[in-house]
Amino acid sequence: RKEVEQDPGPFNVPEGATVAFNCTYSNSASQSFFWYRQDCRKEPKLLMSVYSSGNEDGRFTAQLNRASQYISLLIRDSKLSDSATYLCTGGYQKVTFGTGTKLQVIP
Amino acid sequence: NAGVTQTPKFRILKIGQSMTLQCTQDMNHNYMYWYRQDPGMGLKLIYYSVGAGITDKGEVPNGYNVSRSTTEDFPLRLELAAPSQTSVYFCASGQGGSTEAFFGQGTRLTVV
Repeated sequence: RKEVEQDPGPFNVPEGATVAFNCTYSNSASQSFFWYRQDCRKEPKLLMSVYSSGNEDGRFTAQLNRASQYISLLIRDSKLSDSATYLCTGGYQKVTFGTGTKLQVIP
Repeated sequence: NAGVTQTPKFRILKIGQSMTLQCTQDMNHNYMYWYRQDPGMGLKLIYYSVGAGITDKGEVPNGYNVSRSTTEDFPLRLELAAPSQTSVYFCASGQGGSTEAFFGQGTRLTVV
């Protein structure tokens, strides 16, 4: 089983919509989790950390459910500029990525 | 701030040739990683290192070798290039799985 699994999408949503992605992880020893954003042909960049208590940054909310071993990312009021691939990570020692979820925000 | 620097940015290799992808970081991070990303796919971990002199295999290590003689450098070696190694290679560094990873800009490799 892969350490981190994501629905690859694509998710096509209209501007202004709310969209949510989930990511499951298999290693219960994983301590910290992150969401990264990757634009086409670019390197991934950190979007936000995921804390047990949840984490909100403007239109973005990340949550962790340890009991069910998944993390989530909620994007409210989607913008065209949110179109990208969103990658989750979980890892105890090494950083392992999910396959990424592609989001396309449509005008 | 340089961060993580990869060279070269682009390279075309012929089947059977060898090359080294260079990666250096100036953030004094103990952990360094090599990933490959095929078109439309996610990042797959090739090798990683938790400190100078220590390396370990990731998900897809076959066909590659690494070394970590210093904290700063983590080169990736392809000995006998094959078309299946055509990909974008990303190097990253950090302080372990519990912290953010910082990425280089990638090396686009084509094997023909």
